[in-house]
Amino acid sequence: DTAVSQTPKYLVTQMGNDKSIKCEQNLGHDTMYWYKQDSKKFLKIMFSYNNKELIINETVPNRFSPKSPDKAHLNLHINSLELGDSAVYFCASSQDRTGANVLTFGAGSRLTVL
Amino acid sequence: AQSVTQPDIHITVSEGASLELRCNYSYGATPYLFWYVQSPGQGLQLLLKYFSGDTLVQGIKGFEAEFKRSQSSFNLRKPSVHWSDAAEYFCAVGALRDDKIIFGKGTRLHILP
Repeated sequence: DTAVSQTPKYLVTQMGNDKSIKCEQNLGHDTMYWYKQDSKKFLKIMFSYNNKELIINETVPNRFSPKSPDKAHLNLHINSLELGDSAVYFCASSQDRTGANVLTFGAGSRLTVL
Repeated sequence: AQSVTQPDIHITVSEGASLELRCNYSYGATPYLFWYVQSPGQGLQLLLKYFSGDTLVQGIKGFEAEFKRSQSSFNLRKPSVHWSDAAEYFCAVGALRDDKIIFGKGTRLHILP
């Protein structure tokens, strides 16, 4: 029973398309995150939600829009995909919003924009 | 500014040899320190964490790390590596007062047979 599951695992799409990645956690955690990992393996936080409230919104293009329908789900929608959006996107969750918590990561969603 | 530095991008060791991965941090608050491991094609998994108390912490898979406040370091060690330890290792730091955890850029560990 996967703690943090994200779908799909792979997306291959053309520039200009719109795509979504879904994430669900069954740990009862209050906080969920989206991280982007580029080709050099650098991890950059994009967004975090605490109990459906947006609390971190890093410098991310407006084409990226997170949505949290409830505290167990956090989705990421990307409009007008660009080549530079190619990356692995990780969902994570933690017990609460402080930086003192352990993060539990999903397996990642590899997005390739052609 | 808050930062985490992993000075080694790649490290190669022979199977059975000892390992030390370096991590230095700069943080204004009492740091909470973490090491995560990412195997190829996988998400990140927690190896160990330091919050307070004993400065030598034990983790999973035979790893340990030592917190040295005077050197702002939290180096990861293993006495004898196995081929399955080949992975990307990330040091991270956070604090109670902050909403996010900052990750280092990672160290790729290669194991020679």
